[in-house]
Amino acid sequence: QSALTQEASVSGTVGQKVTLSCTGNFNNIGSYAVGWYQQISHGAPKTVMFGNSLPSGIPDRFSASKSGTTASLTISGLQPEDEADYYCSTWDYSLSAWVFGGGTKLTVL
Amino acid sequence: QVQLVESGGGVVQPGGSLRLSCAASGFTFSSFGMHWVRQAPGKGLQWVAFIRYDGATQYYADSVKGRFTISRDNSNNTLYLQMNSLRAEDTAVYYCAKDANTAMDYWGQGLLVTVSS
Repeated sequence: QSALTQEASVSGTVGQKVTLSCTGNFNNIGSYAVGWYQQISHGAPKTVMFGNSLPSGIPDRFSASKSGTTASLTISGLQPEDEADYYCSTWDYSLSAWVFGGGTKLTVL
Repeated sequence: QVQLVESGGGVVQPGGSLRLSCAASGFTFSSFGMHWVRQAPGKGLQWVAFIRYDGATQYYADSVKGRFTISRDNSNNTLYLQMNSLRAEDTAVYYCAKDANTAMDYWGQGLLVTVSS
């Protein structure tokens, strides 16, 4: 049971906009910035967003937002190379630990 | 550019020990906290441990507390994870990652640790 809840799977077609969600509580997402990580075919994770920052080399079709205790990663103009597992994480004050979501498998149809 | 290169993985028997290393380059290592994150076969990412930039503070996941120790050598830009009393459920790919406040911004390539008799 992960501390953060993500959809198990999401799908979209090329060019579509998709949004992945990550739900926590006040002790984690409600209080701290969230990181989003892309993992393709169980390779090393790559950070696609941390807080509101887009890392160097990540296309600007990736964006992130947060409302209360739910964070969202939006991919505008979905591309075949975006097919991957996506994880969210942040610090949890009550656990004194970083927590991850269970991951969302994004399929590009 | 930022590079994180892990080493020290392998096969170890239950109850055994292993020390992982992560060599960092491309940034001022002594100014950033560092993490270890693992992924069991077919499972999601699991945070393992964090160490503050100066080594003064460490945090651990409950599943490894008392068995694993995270440390760092800022003079050699190297992060470590000493793993003792290893169990089958510790079998995973272990990644080191650079801290970005409450997130991670760079990751190593990962290395496999297998605990098996």
